[in-house]
Amino acid sequence: EVQLVESGGGLVQPGGSLRLSCAASGFIFSTYWMSWVRQAPGKGLEWVANIKEDGGEKYYVGFVNGRFTISRDNAKNSFYLQMNSLRAEDTAVYYCAKGRGYYALDEWGQGTLVTVSS
Amino acid sequence: QSVLTQPPSASGTPGQKVTISCSGSSSNIGSNSVHWYQHLPGTAPKLLIYRNNQRPSGVPDRFSASKSGTSASLAVSGLRSEDEADYYCAAWDDSLSGVEFGGGTKVTVL
Repeated sequence: EVQLVESGGGLVQPGGSLRLSCAASGFIFSTYWMSWVRQAPGKGLEWVANIKEDGGEKYYVGFVNGRFTISRDNAKNSFYLQMNSLRAEDTAVYYCAKGRGYYALDEWGQGTLVTVSS
Repeated sequence: QSVLTQPPSASGTPGQKVTISCSGSSSNIGSNSVHWYQHLPGTAPKLLIYRNNQRPSGVPDRFSASKSGTSASLAVSGLRSEDEADYYCAAWDDSLSGVEFGGGTKVTVL
């Protein structure tokens, strides 16, 4: 059974940093693209970033603007989202998701809440 | 504002058919596969359709989808109360080098 478990969310002040983690199990992690997707309160789903199987390619949504970094550790079956210079508008539930091909996301975690507030 | 345009809401009575549209451009739907997701608040989103019209195992055939040019659509036939959820289309955008989601359509079963 595929499992994706996010952690690392919480309350952070504007300008602060957080590192989200996603622990994967139930599939050969090193052979799949992985993604982060978020949902702000009352808003729709918004893709944030993805990373290739070997970590050699990474793509980000425009609003990230160098503030976020996606990475992975295939030896630990985990991938991460380092978020710096956080803003109130980054407040959202962040989901990690497994790629299927053609950029479809076929397995999702339950999400971790990030709240940016003073 | 989303690059992919969906109607904000759709509704139907049990047993009816509901269709949701997704309009994009040549850089996204026009040149890449469209995927559809079902999302109930507080739960993990679920892949409903991938590669324009393919259903993952376990997804009922009441859900179907198609793509033509720069538009796509999702149909839910034999509407059931458990189909009440938010539905999103998504596609890779070559110009933005990223995945774009539609704004989402809330389906209500009357």
